[in-house]
Amino acid sequence: GAVVSQHPSRVICKSGTSVKIECRSLDFQATTMFWYRQFPKKSLMLMATSNEGSKATYEQGVEKDKFLINHASLTLSTLTVTSAHPEDSSFYICSGGRTFYGYTFGSGTRLTVV
Amino acid sequence: TQLLEQSPQFLSIQEGENLTVYCNSSSVFSSLQWYRQEPGEGPVLLVTVVTGGEVKKLKRLTFQFGDARKDSSLHITAAQPGDTGLYLCAGVGTQGGSEKLVFGKGTKLTVNP
Repeated sequence: GAVVSQHPSRVICKSGTSVKIECRSLDFQATTMFWYRQFPKKSLMLMATSNEGSKATYEQGVEKDKFLINHASLTLSTLTVTSAHPEDSSFYICSGGRTFYGYTFGSGTRLTVV
Repeated sequence: TQLLEQSPQFLSIQEGENLTVYCNSSSVFSSLQWYRQEPGEGPVLLVTVVTGGEVKKLKRLTFQFGDARKDSSLHITAAQPGDTGLYLCAGVGTQGGSEKLVFGKGTKLTVNP
């Protein structure tokens, strides 16, 4: 139970374009989802908390206009990296929040901006 | 801001050896979780410890939560190459009225055959 599906698993985009990453809770409803960023050989850094039907809460230092989050339904949150640049290249991971099974995470999205 | 210090950051050992990973904080957490992450994958929950002094065992892995709920340890007995991976501790805390996971920096474990 409490499966989180993240798509795509890998994406390569050109500098200046936007990329959308989807995070779906497959067998539960998630009023709150979390988006993390992970640099190579580093830990997960919380970027923002996605709230269903309301604005996301961003962590200090995270650009709201750069990383747009939409949580329009109880099973889907999206992260859009706008006007991507090479420094945005990273591993992005979403979490479906706390469930009976604990916190479960998506399998991550490797973003490469060229 | 709640922070978790995890040590060591890197650990390379031979098959059959024992090891301990530590996770320390000056903050109290309602619970603490340990995850294992493979390259290119999301972290997978191993265990959650809730009660101060709690000890949980998962086969060759032993997890302990400090009495004050500020620290935790992961001990692996007779490590095997299949144990290789990134181990992350994460504290469940409250920030700004919301529950959040705070991750340690992780321990990259390599078990050599």
